[in-house]
Amino acid sequence: EAGVAQSPRYKIIEKRQSVAFWCNPISGHATLYWYQQILGQGPKLLIQFQNNGVVDDSQLPKDRFSAERLKGVDSTLKIQPAKLEDSAVYLCASRLGTSGGQETQYFGPGTRLLVL
Amino acid sequence: KQEVTQIPAALSVPEGENLVLNCSFTDSAIYNLQWFRQDPGKGLTSLLLIQSSQREQTSGRLNASLDKSSGRSTLYIAASQPGDSATYLCAVTSGGNQFYFGTGTSLTVIP
Repeated sequence: EAGVAQSPRYKIIEKRQSVAFWCNPISGHATLYWYQQILGQGPKLLIQFQNNGVVDDSQLPKDRFSAERLKGVDSTLKIQPAKLEDSAVYLCASRLGTSGGQETQYFGPGTRLLVL
Repeated sequence: KQEVTQIPAALSVPEGENLVLNCSFTDSAIYNLQWFRQDPGKGLTSLLLIQSSQREQTSGRLNASLDKSSGRSTLYIAASQPGDSATYLCAVTSGGNQFYFGTGTSLTVIP
């Protein structure tokens, strides 16, 4: 079974530029998550999708971050414009079901973003 | 809001030693607690998942316990090996299926 795929793996941009990350979850997984992990910290949830609908985006900085999940499969996370403090690893994860806490999340390798 | 804390932040032990990693959380109303392993430059790998009704889970040399009433979990690693070197994260699933991570413990096992 293929895992969660993410691209690019690394990205370096200057502040005020735009950047987009892509995630392809495990086939058939209904729930998809984007996390931000700043160096030395645990991952912080940015947004959670169930199929193609947003379940939780309470910690997404909506003035600069946006995300969508096309047809309930792939997802993109965009930052426009980027700030220095956005430098982090962006992790995508997926889960088979949509309810309860019975299942684990499967994580992709992450995209490491450096904003100069 | 749920807060998850992990102690110690870093740990260095000689190969073969048994060790315990600690995780505490502030809200005991959780669905489950998971322990993850994160290797440098890689994503997270789930090690053990304990449902709220369970007290512990075991996998090989790993044993995780959960005391929901006191808001604590421990991850016990027996006979540590250099390949165990990684960052270990605990995470709890709370109401609304929200997932809260701790800050992690960076483990180094010295050959």
